Amino acid sequence: KQEVTQIPAALSVPEGENLVLNCSFTDSAIYNLQWFRQDPGKGLTSLLLIQSSQREQTSGRLNASLDKSSGRSTLYIAASQPGDSATYLCAVDSQGGKLIFGQGTELSVKP
Amino acid sequence: GAVVSQHPSWVICKSGTSVKIECRSLDFQATTMFWYRQFPKQSLMLMATSNEGSKATYEQGVEKDKFLINHASLTLSTLTVTSAHPEDSSFYICSAPRGGLGAHTQYFGPGTRLTVL
Repeated sequence: KQEVTQIPAALSVPEGENLVLNCSFTDSAIYNLQWFRQDPGKGLTSLLLIQSSQREQTSGRLNASLDKSSGRSTLYIAASQPGDSATYLCAVDSQGGKLIFGQGTELSVKP
Repeated sequence: GAVVSQHPSWVICKSGTSVKIECRSLDFQATTMFWYRQFPKQSLMLMATSNEGSKATYEQGVEKDKFLINHASLTLSTLTVTSAHPEDSSFYICSAPRGGLGAHTQYFGPGTRLTVL
């Protein structure tokens, strides 16, 4: 059974810092891995999707890596801003569309 | 803009009533949609897979007679919470995949917050 774990559960940083969020999964047989952002009381915004054959994806200040063999992904946020404050979720697709989510990392960027 | 919509965005109901939540893909067809539930301070848990033209498939522990799913068209899936009770209060979110197998991106609706009194 696929399990997804995210570390840390919460993170508070001053504005401008670079930071790394971690995601690990137990079964390496995946189609893809996706990172999402969720603001309080809101739905999900897809940030990056990494297919199983890819090693990383980049979008603006965000970079996500995938090491399928070790069951790990990282989300790197450069030059963090207060507007980046949100909960970040990683999710693994290992059953054709069914996503297994981690518990999320609650990020707070202080001005 | 949003590619998946949900209605209503929030609902408050009395215990014992039924509540219907709609999930629509706005500019693409989705033969499959997914329903998730998120309790406060917890992550999303998959409830069921909605299949256009056939029965939904439910995850272990999800009562199919309580959470009725109907995928009547290629752009609409509905989730009906029957005889809702306070423990059903949660954030319900649907998603629809867009793109090919393995490369598809899941687009999520904005969610429906259900409060059962």
